[in-house]
Amino acid sequence: GAVVSQHPSWVICKSGTSVKIECRSLDFQATTMFWYRQFPKQSLMLMATSNEGSKATYEQGVEKDKFLINHASLTLSTLTVTSAHPEDSSFYICSADLTGQGSHNEQFFGPGTRLTVL
Amino acid sequence: SQQGEEDPQALSIQEGENATMNCSYKTSINNLQWYRQNSGRGLVHLILIRSNEREKHSGRLRVTLDTSKKSSSLLITASRAADTASYFCATDVDSSYKLIFGSGTRLLVRP
Repeated sequence: GAVVSQHPSWVICKSGTSVKIECRSLDFQATTMFWYRQFPKQSLMLMATSNEGSKATYEQGVEKDKFLINHASLTLSTLTVTSAHPEDSSFYICSADLTGQGSHNEQFFGPGTRLTVL
Repeated sequence: SQQGEEDPQALSIQEGENATMNCSYKTSINNLQWYRQNSGRGLVHLILIRSNEREKHSGRLRVTLDTSKKSSSLLITASRAADTASYFCATDVDSSYKLIFGSGTRLLVRP
């Protein structure tokens, strides 16, 4: 149980286009999901907290108009990178929180989406 | 923002040896977790230790937590080539349940 999927697993796009990444909890409901960005050989940097039915909470320095987050259901959160530029190329990882379902803030991570902007 | 640092940044050992990784953090925590990440993949949860615990075991893993020094260590005993990965500590600092990750240790276990 507690499987999180991401789609697509990789995407290549042209500069200026928008890319949508989906994060799904497959066998549980997640009121809270998190989005992280990871550059090569670096750690995960939290971008935002996605709450079902409400606005996302963005970390300092993350542009909310550039990284649009929608958490429309208890099993799906989407991250849209708008007007992507080469510097947005990164590995984007989501996680879903199991708090309130018998665990102590154990998060389950998706496999990640590698975005390359040409 | 990152909560803290991990050391060493990289560690290369022979199969069968033990591997120790350290994590330091800056603020008070609710709990601390360790994750493993294989190259280009998502994260796998290894172990969680609460702020009122000092040591925890899971199979070949042993985690210690010293809240007075704001540090934790992960020991992997009898390492295997399959343990080759990056290891991250992550702290849960407030009621939002968001995790703040350390800088990570890249472990290479040579067969």
